[in-house]
Amino acid sequence: DTEVTQTPKHLVMGMTNKKSLKCEQHMGHRAMYWYKQKAKKPPELMFVYSYEKLSINESVPSRFSPECPNSSLLNLHLHALQPEDSALYLCASSQDTDGHNEKLFFGSGTQLSVL
Amino acid sequence: DAKTTQPPSMDCAEGRAANLPCNHSTISGNEYVYWYRQIHSQGPQYIIHGLKNNETNEMASLIITEDRKSSTLILPHATLRDTAVYYCIVRPLSGSARQLTFGSGTQLTVLP
Repeated sequence: DTEVTQTPKHLVMGMTNKKSLKCEQHMGHRAMYWYKQKAKKPPELMFVYSYEKLSINESVPSRFSPECPNSSLLNLHLHALQPEDSALYLCASSQDTDGHNEKLFFGSGTQLSVL
Repeated sequence: DAKTTQPPSMDCAEGRAANLPCNHSTISGNEYVYWYRQIHSQGPQYIIHGLKNNETNEMASLIITEDRKSSTLILPHATLRDTAVYYCIVRPLSGSARQLTFGSGTQLTVLP
């Protein structure tokens, strides 16, 4: 199983709503990632979890709150978002080694629209 | 501060080889070259990586010049399903900079 599953696939929310994006993998990977991708732009790294601990936060606004309940699950909690936060949110996982064979496996993403 | 330079778009005829170039003139000795692609409405997918030797796998071949300042990804027999954005990424093996950072990529369109 080399799949990273993201739910929901599409989400529409208002600026006062609270919602969560979910990501799951069963490859035994110990690193998990959130990327944000605006239309026709490359993915941008938001957060990295390594062994269930937050290791990198790329200066992401606090209205985005990541959570890693266990090594297979990654959540992104959303609160008081702005319309400019509308984007494709991608989750990825990897084995988290320093070796050159480190490969990221991506989910298909959640397309988020903030109204 | 882009570490790689790729043409924004390329076309290729179905069944022909697709050769995607990438310039990485400031690459360091401990940095590898990785290629990922992103098909429309999907997440990026790993293709291949290398340090200084040519590499081949079931998806593609990677040719890295002797001075390591550029590389070419080769899809030997392109199909319509290879239409995607192809990202060339340079990254070290360790340290905080080892996180995958995507550049602008090349939109490859395979034409029937």
